Amino acid sequence: GEDVEQSLFLSVREGDSSVINCTYTDSSSTYLYWYKQEPGAGLQLLTYIFSNMDMKQDQRLTVLLNKKDKHLSLRIADTQTGDSAIYFCAEHGAPYGGATNKLIFGTGTLLAVQP
Amino acid sequence: DAGVIQSPRHEVTEMGQEVTLRCKPISGHDYLFWYRQTMMRGLELLIYFNNNVPIDDSGMPEDRFSAKMPNASFSTLKIQPSEPRDSAVYFCASSSPGRAAPSSYTEQFFGPGTRLTVL
Repeated sequence: GEDVEQSLFLSVREGDSSVINCTYTDSSSTYLYWYKQEPGAGLQLLTYIFSNMDMKQDQRLTVLLNKKDKHLSLRIADTQTGDSAIYFCAEHGAPYGGATNKLIFGTGTLLAVQP
Repeated sequence: DAGVIQSPRHEVTEMGQEVTLRCKPISGHDYLFWYRQTMMRGLELLIYFNNNVPIDDSGMPEDRFSAKMPNASFSTLKIQPSEPRDSAVYFCASSSPGRAAPSSYTEQFFGPGTRLTVL
């Protein structure tokens, strides 16, 4: 079945690097996503990676994809207190009656940044 | 663009009452999603629509829950009768695929959520 798993909590000190891990199930998923949820708000797309890539870098963010192990990670360099949030990875759900925009979200990882 | 709009932002009701949550998607988006978020169960997809038609309602917990999308700019999620275990934050999201192919790139835009408390 479709299941995306993440560790629930990560605590880091300001200035350190954070690494949030995710395992997914659908090897046919063409895109994989990271969403960020700040307190009291909805989710926002943070970054994504196409499945034929191993790595994608975007300023302080680095996404690593290991397709063999179905493992996705998000590294945040020089973590700031403003990065404190819940981070969700997501893959596409199985097509239902044709095309789909359904995403399967992970359990979310709460990142706490200590000053 | 105002983004996805949800109302009310907070709702407190008593067990047994009917609750209606509302959502206005981003103009031009043809997919609309309803999610529920709780500490225990995380983020759950309840139902989603494509061009106002329900596509997958397998996440709707039980018959007390119903969702409608009478037109492209409005959707409701109704709970009747409500129970304390329905207390959660309910999110609406919308998207518009760049290509018609399954699993093509898509970004879902989330509303701010409705925090529902059933006493």
